[in-house]
Amino acid sequence: NAGVTQTPKFRILKIGQSMTLQCTQDMNHNYMYWYRQDPGMGLKLIYYSVGAGITDKGEVPNGYNVSRSTTEDFPLRLELAAPSQTSVYFCASSYRAGGNANYGYTFGSGTRLTVV
Amino acid sequence: AQKVTQAQTEISVVEKEDVTLDCVYETRDTTYYLFWYKQPPSGELVFLIRRNSFDEQNEISGRYSWNFQKSTSSFNFTITASQVVDSAVYFCALQGGKLIFGQGTELSVKP
Repeated sequence: NAGVTQTPKFRILKIGQSMTLQCTQDMNHNYMYWYRQDPGMGLKLIYYSVGAGITDKGEVPNGYNVSRSTTEDFPLRLELAAPSQTSVYFCASSYRAGGNANYGYTFGSGTRLTVV
Repeated sequence: AQKVTQAQTEISVVEKEDVTLDCVYETRDTTYYLFWYKQPPSGELVFLIRRNSFDEQNEISGRYSWNFQKSTSSFNFTITASQVVDSAVYFCALQGGKLIFGQGTELSVKP
């Protein structure tokens, strides 16, 4: 039972490069999320998805794109990397039923990204 | 709008002291969930507790206890007889529509 798997674990990008952070879950969770955590700070929501084909912006979406073509996968795309995107990125998933009932979140182990 | 405030940025205690981490939240939702997570130096997020807005009973789990008070919009976390292994950053989080986090409290327990 893998839970939430994020790849890669570490990456160094040059300014202006693009990359995709991968996130896969095998728990059949309907909700998936991307967060970033800057040094000494809490987690900020970038994008989230309530199900395949549906995505929405979080608190800090600028500079990122997402897609959700399947229930399992929720990749995060950085098109033109900037030093301000240096951060640790966490993917998470949860199962939520109707009426906002929530059955807990599972977080990936994080991707540490440095843009130089 | 939702907001989670953890006013204590850093706390330092000596082993065996009790320590309380404060969490105050804002939401207009009538149904919501509150969470506490621990982030040790290794960086992963460790789930500690989930509480829904309809259950105001306090909870105790070993040395950990949580006090949920809707009247003051607070969900405080107490560690009794702290240990060095409790040193970590602790996050309070609120889920109404989306899950949002407070800024975290860095707890340092010294031997």
